[in-house]
Amino acid sequence: EAQVTQNPRYLITVTGKKLTVTCSQNMNHEYMSWYRQDPGLGLRQIYYSMNVEVTDKGDVPEGYKVSRKEKRNFPLILESPSPNQTSLYFCASSLTAGTSSETQYFGPGTRLLVL
Amino acid sequence: AQSVTQLGSHVSVSEGALVLLRCNYSSSVPPYLFWYVQYPNQGLQLLLKYTSAATLVKGINGFEAEFKKSETSFHLTKPSAHMSDAAEYFCAVSDPGGYNKLIFGAGTRLAVHP
Repeated sequence: EAQVTQNPRYLITVTGKKLTVTCSQNMNHEYMSWYRQDPGLGLRQIYYSMNVEVTDKGDVPEGYKVSRKEKRNFPLILESPSPNQTSLYFCASSLTAGTSSETQYFGPGTRLLVL
Repeated sequence: AQSVTQLGSHVSVSEGALVLLRCNYSSSVPPYLFWYVQYPNQGLQLLLKYTSAATLVKGINGFEAEFKKSETSFHLTKPSAHMSDAAEYFCAVSDPGGYNKLIFGAGTRLAVHP
């Protein structure tokens, strides 16, 4: 089944404790991105990657890191989480980034609580 | 800069009634427009998208949307609501010159009651 998977689905952590949220897609998509969803704000892009080893900042990149060493994986890293990073996170992918009419496929989401 | 406004954070309809979810966009160039649906505890699923072909776009589950350039709107409609339509709906815009970044509205939660 074609899908985007994320792990973990739920995570409670404490301020300053490094964490990684994994994202993997099995559709051979070139483009991947991370969004956070907050009530009343919709989804906002954190980082994106147009292909392996090519990443760039989205609208809200502060406090996050990403890497794209393999085409299928795009982990989101929080080096020192803070309470304002409590949110619902979504990974998404699309076949290419060549045209912005491409359909993006979303993972099931990771709900993060930072105490 | 592009932006999306969804009027009404909560909409409630009776089963069988018309569903109308409003979306207005701001863009300096002709945009691509999308509607996504999010069911409880799930990711977002594409309902339909406008990419400058026909202005009336039909999507899955009986939904459709009409692109009206003069009104900068892309409202989502369904003639007859079903209980299974209860979900959160997001309108989004992307810049044809951009790299697939979606700008989302704040979302509209649709409730369907018997």
